[in-house]
Amino acid sequence: ETGVTQSPTHLIKTRGQQVTLRCSSQSGHNTVSWYQQALGQGPQFIFQYYREEENGRGNFPPRFSGLQFPNYSSELNVNALELDDSALYLCATHQPQETQYFGPGTRLLVL
Amino acid sequence: AQRVTQPEKLLSVFKGAPVELKCNYSYSGSPELFWYVQYSRQRLQLLLRHISRESIKGFTADLNKGETSFHLKKPFAQEEDSAMYYCALSAANTGNQFYFGTGTSLTVIP
Repeated sequence: ETGVTQSPTHLIKTRGQQVTLRCSSQSGHNTVSWYQQALGQGPQFIFQYYREEENGRGNFPPRFSGLQFPNYSSELNVNALELDDSALYLCATHQPQETQYFGPGTRLLVL
Repeated sequence: AQRVTQPEKLLSVFKGAPVELKCNYSYSGSPELFWYVQYSRQRLQLLLRHISRESIKGFTADLNKGETSFHLKKPFAQEEDSAMYYCALSAANTGNQFYFGTGTSLTVIP
């Protein structure tokens, strides 16, 4: 069992609302990547943070934003929620170029 | 553009039979390829990566740059191999983003 945790485990929101998802890093990992996994799909890369700076971004609109804190924990914020944002959100922490360790995910439902 | 294709969404094999999960990729540079596995009620975890050239749980995968493939193979499937398998590509020229395929659900029939 890895040390990556995510909160909350489940969340229900309505369209237009904002949501914040959290990820705690495994000890020693200074890099975090966030993914969106829609039903029946593989994880889609949202962005990566390295030492509190964004270090790569996938094809997601600006209403998806993130933060990484000095202790390397991280947040994913999504504004103006849309129905299609309903998905499992995964974070993975790692050292650069090294194996990614995934959290259990947060399941978001937008109504 | 980078892409990972797993043509089979579902794959069933009998216990003891060989298994091959297909993965093809498109990438203009030198990719790093991975296989991730998700067992029932567990989180996604790394199975193997091509640069380590290891055999994990009897699985191997060889990167074929000519065919742009990274198929996962095991000579004798076991029931505990039943899981969801994802092929992934890391693209160094795009900030080390990971690109995942859509996954193959493997069922090993006793």
